[in-house]
Amino acid sequence: GAGVSQSPSNKVTEKGKDVELRCDPISGHTALYWYRQSLGQGLEFLIYFQGNSAPDKSGLPSDRFSAERTGGSVSTLTIQRTQQEDSAVYLCASSLLASRETQYFGPGTRLLVL
Amino acid sequence: AQSVSQHNHHVILSEAASLELGCNYSYGGTVNLFWYVQYPGQHLQLLLKYFSGDPLVKGIKGFEAEFIKSKFSFNLRKPSVQWSDTAEYFCAFLERALTFGSGTRLQVQP
Repeated sequence: GAGVSQSPSNKVTEKGKDVELRCDPISGHTALYWYRQSLGQGLEFLIYFQGNSAPDKSGLPSDRFSAERTGGSVSTLTIQRTQQEDSAVYLCASSLLASRETQYFGPGTRLLVL
Repeated sequence: AQSVSQHNHHVILSEAASLELGCNYSYGGTVNLFWYVQYPGQHLQLLLKYFSGDPLVKGIKGFEAEFIKSKFSFNLRKPSVQWSDTAEYFCAFLERALTFGSGTRLQVQP
């Protein structure tokens, strides 16, 4: 079956602009995670959605970052007023349930802020 | 907060050599530990995971890992590496989300 998909695969933007990154999880997966992978910071957790519960936003680095998940499926990560340090690969993962379930990762969106 | 340490940042081996990648975690409670692999140009994918039970865990592609509670370690091993094992390997701890180590880049020379 289809895996986790993300779009766009690459995004180049200018400092100060807003960007939206999209994640389509595996159908039926109730848990959805956003991570980012950068040279300086490695792989970091950003935010986590589980079913209809309030998201765990504890990993978001600043209030410029937000995410939503509509209808328990597709998720959008929004970065406002992008900065050069936001340049990274943004990864989405989903799992059937939270806790102890294998997370399946998408290919990522490579974001470059000029 | 829990942390995960991977001591080997870059490992270069010849084919057929044995592999051991170190992973230590800081959490003293119930552990949920994973090894993920990222082949060049591909997604992160699961190699193996440990939640409880037999501390020697078998994964895909001949990999295994041993959970040693007294050492807070979860080292990854493979008896004989192949060129196709060239990749980056990440140890991770799951609480509410995955906390990853810094990764180990493995280069296997033919």
